[in-house]
Amino acid sequence: AQSVSQHNHHVILSEAASLELGCNYSYGGTVNLFWYVQYPGQHLQLLLKYFSGDPLVKGIKGFEAEFIKSKFSFNLRKPSVQWSDTAEYFCAVKRDNAGNMLTFGGGTRLMVKP
Amino acid sequence: DAGITQSPRHKVTETGTPVTLRCHQTENHRYMYWYRQDPGHGLRLIHYSYGVKDTDKGEVSDGYSVSRSKTEDFLLTLESATSSQTSVYFCAISESRDPIVYTFGSGTRLTVV
Repeated sequence: AQSVSQHNHHVILSEAASLELGCNYSYGGTVNLFWYVQYPGQHLQLLLKYFSGDPLVKGIKGFEAEFIKSKFSFNLRKPSVQWSDTAEYFCAVKRDNAGNMLTFGGGTRLMVKP
Repeated sequence: DAGITQSPRHKVTETGTPVTLRCHQTENHRYMYWYRQDPGHGLRLIHYSYGVKDTDKGEVSDGYSVSRSKTEDFLLTLESATSSQTSVYFCAISESRDPIVYTFGSGTRLTVV
C-alpha cells in the first residue's frame, strides 16, 4: 500500500484563487517531508522541505506547507495562484529507517486558468 | 541546472530487446537513484547507488539492473523490455552533506511496443 497519499489527483483553479494540496503519510516515526514541483516538460524541482523546528515551512514562489504531526499531514498552500503555477506537485517522505530513500505520493496535477 | 544529464531523452523499443539508459553527473555527488514515473503512482524507486560499485534494489527493481563503474555514471538496463516498462525514467543525485535533498535529471521517456 502506498505510504504517501495525495488525495487530489487533479485540481483546477482560476488565477488568484487560494490553493491547498493535501499530503498524508502512514508512518509513525520521525520523518523528513518534501514538496517537489514538475512544470510541463521539465524535471522535478524542490519547492520546500521540512526537517525539524517550525512546522510552517516557507518555500520558493510563495508556497508554504504545514507539518501537522498528529494528523500525519504536510499540506501545501499558496494564497493566490498564478497561471505559471500550472504543474504537477509531488509530496515525498523520508522515513527515519529508510536511509536516503524518498517515498513519493502519486502527484496532484494543478491547472490554473488565466 | 545542476550537472545531471540523461540519455537518451526519448526511446522507442520493441518488446524483448535490451535497453540501457544513462545518467551522467558532473557534480561528484556520491548518491544516485533511478525512479520511474507513472500516472497515479508518482515516482517509484527502481535502484540506487551509494558509490562506485555499490548499488541496491528499490521498490520496483524486478526486470531492471544497474551498474556504477564510475562516480559520474549510473546505468539502468532493461534486460528484456516489456510493455509494462513503458514509463518516464528519472535519475536523481544527492551529496553526502545533504543526502536527502535530491536533484533530478530531465527524464527519459521510454516506450516499449
